[in-house]
Amino acid sequence: DTAVSQTPKYLVTQMGNDKSIKCEQNLGHDTMYWYKQDSKKFLKIMFSYNNKELIINETVPNRFSPKSPDKAHLNLHINSLELGDSAVYFCASSQGLVSADTQYFGPGTRLTVL
Amino acid sequence: AQKVTQAQTEISVVEKEDVTLDCVYETRDTTYYLFWYKQPPSGELVFLIRRNSFDEQNEISGRYSWNFQKSTSSFNFTITASQVVDSAVYFCALIPPNSGYALNFGKGTSLLVTP
Repeated sequence: DTAVSQTPKYLVTQMGNDKSIKCEQNLGHDTMYWYKQDSKKFLKIMFSYNNKELIINETVPNRFSPKSPDKAHLNLHINSLELGDSAVYFCASSQGLVSADTQYFGPGTRLTVL
Repeated sequence: AQKVTQAQTEISVVEKEDVTLDCVYETRDTTYYLFWYKQPPSGELVFLIRRNSFDEQNEISGRYSWNFQKSTSSFNFTITASQVVDSAVYFCALIPPNSGYALNFGKGTSLLVTP
């Protein structure tokens, strides 16, 4: 029944490693997003995809690469992890791009880089 | 530039008090959308309300109400008769048009309701 799901919920890893976070939505939405919430709780957009096409690519390091195999999935791959990547990453989805439809969020993935 | 300001960083109230969370936004667009989200201690982001710039009607949903005033660029949120379960961080957000529809969030207001 979960509308937007993310795996894993927690991710603890060493600096320099490569990791992926997966996101799936079963709402039939066309648009998916990745947001980053820092230690001060500030939320900022990273990427968005509409029907597997990249729409938003904010100023994030090239080490972050989103991949959308189909419109129900948007994964986030991070290379060469750094201490500053520690944050909570939220996936979200919305109906489309015709209007600013409500975005529904996944439970978040807490990434800790040691 | 699009910007959302939540000037209240933390608010503490006693249960059953009414509390208003302020949200002031900046945009040059005439069409835009405003949102409120709740983030309880468990960490998820819960959608509360979506409002477009052409609809200035206030909205009430149970103990929650929203006051949208374009003249002051504000979209304030009031909880009536607060309860401990209302303790959370509340985020106001703005979506301008032609932006890819990314949410521009304010920094959030942390609300603590004590018994």
